[in-house]
Amino acid sequence: SYELTQPPSVSVSPGQTARITCSGDALPQKYAYWYRQKSGQAPVVVIYEDSKRPSGIPERFSGSSSGTMATLTISGAQVEDEADYYCSSTDTSGYLWVFGGGTKLTVL
Amino acid sequence: EVQLVQSGAEVKEPGESLKISCKGSGDSFTNDWIAWVRQMPGKGLEWMGTIFPGDSDARYSPSFQGQVTISADKSITTAYLQWISLKASDTAMYFCARHSPLRYGDAFDIWGHGTMVTVSS
Repeated sequence: SYELTQPPSVSVSPGQTARITCSGDALPQKYAYWYRQKSGQAPVVVIYEDSKRPSGIPERFSGSSSGTMATLTISGAQVEDEADYYCSSTDTSGYLWVFGGGTKLTVL
Repeated sequence: EVQLVQSGAEVKEPGESLKISCKGSGDSFTNDWIAWVRQMPGKGLEWMGTIFPGDSDARYSPSFQGQVTISADKSITTAYLQWISLKASDTAMYFCARHSPLRYGDAFDIWGHGTMVTVSS
């Protein structure tokens, strides 16, 4: 079955740039999506279609994708950005969704 | 504003059946897909499957095919996730989420608050 691979954890100091990667064989053909999940809450989409930001998501969140890797970048990370981040995409059929294993972002 | 309201927490014994629900508000329910996502305690998100309530077209993750049934009743804008025989390993939080290719590129843009299912003898 199709898998997306993320690093388990990323740690930065406040104001630094955090980068979270997501690798998957179908990413050259399929979009990546990124979700933020704070403790005890439902996930929230922060990036869709590789690099687009939904309304209400701060400009410091950006996304990119090249080859088999997508990247979520948080420029000037803030303490309130601490959360688990998940990438998501579909397999080559476009019908079956998958989430990456998640990355715990620590900002301190 | 569209919301997804999920049914309350459940505590069941192994072998029991269960059906949890996700009710949508607003008029876009029948034009969107509704996905179910599992999150086991302390673990990540797992896509279980998705349904188009307009015609009940359902698609399942291979990991969950045959283990659960996803259904919907568009007349009451409600999607369901059902088990015939629960196992302890089904203990998890279950989220429903809306997605549509016409909105945010098919991202899961609206999520329910989650239904906690505990299976224990």
